[in-house]
Amino acid sequence: DIQMTQSPSSVSASVGDRVTITCRASQGISSWLAWYQQKPGKVPKLLIYAASGLQSGVPSRFSGRGSGTDFTLTISSLQPEDSATYYCQQANTFPYTFGQGTKLEIK
Amino acid sequence: QVQLVQSGAEVKKPGASVKVSCLASGYTFTSYYIHWVRQAPGQGLEWMGVINPSGSTTTYAQKFQDRVTMTRDTSTSTIYMELNSLRSEDTAVYYCARLLGGTTVAFDIWGQGTLVTVSS
Repeated sequence: DIQMTQSPSSVSASVGDRVTITCRASQGISSWLAWYQQKPGKVPKLLIYAASGLQSGVPSRFSGRGSGTDFTLTISSLQPEDSATYYCQQANTFPYTFGQGTKLEIK
Repeated sequence: QVQLVQSGAEVKKPGASVKVSCLASGYTFTSYYIHWVRQAPGQGLEWMGVINPSGSTTTYAQKFQDRVTMTRDTSTSTIYMELNSLRSEDTAVYYCARLLGGTTVAFDIWGQGTLVTVSS
């Protein structure tokens, strides 16, 4: 199975900050990577597909980069509503696997 | 609108089975694969498997291979996930999710989740 490792596990930042979350795959997955946002008690929401594609309706402050094994999710100017847990997920090979999550808190 | 609506919460005893349904609407049922993902309390997301509603082919995570069955009913646009031999570690919220294919390959629509509690 492909292991997905996110860092950091948690991060605290202020409104307006730039935040970057990293996701590393244990083997190459081309660009078959998605990012999801999940708020407590809510359903995961798709933010980024194919490593860098912005899902319709998602604010442009979210962006994704990477290919192969190393990927990033960046929030360019943090907003209060961005407080959530973020997951990466590879869709290159079954079983599809998720990172362990990064909890983002607003200071 | 496009949506997946799941069946309600379940409480089961260890060793029992549970069958969760996922009703699709607002799109062509047979055009998108449906995946199942679960989330134990306070934990991350875990992929369980996938079904092709068109041909009914399935792929399961090895962890669940012996205990899970995914089926579909095209007449009602419903997907089912049955998990057998339940144990306490299966307590989780179970989600169905639609895979947006082509170059996207991501879960764009999720069901609201079904909490399955396994307790004696």
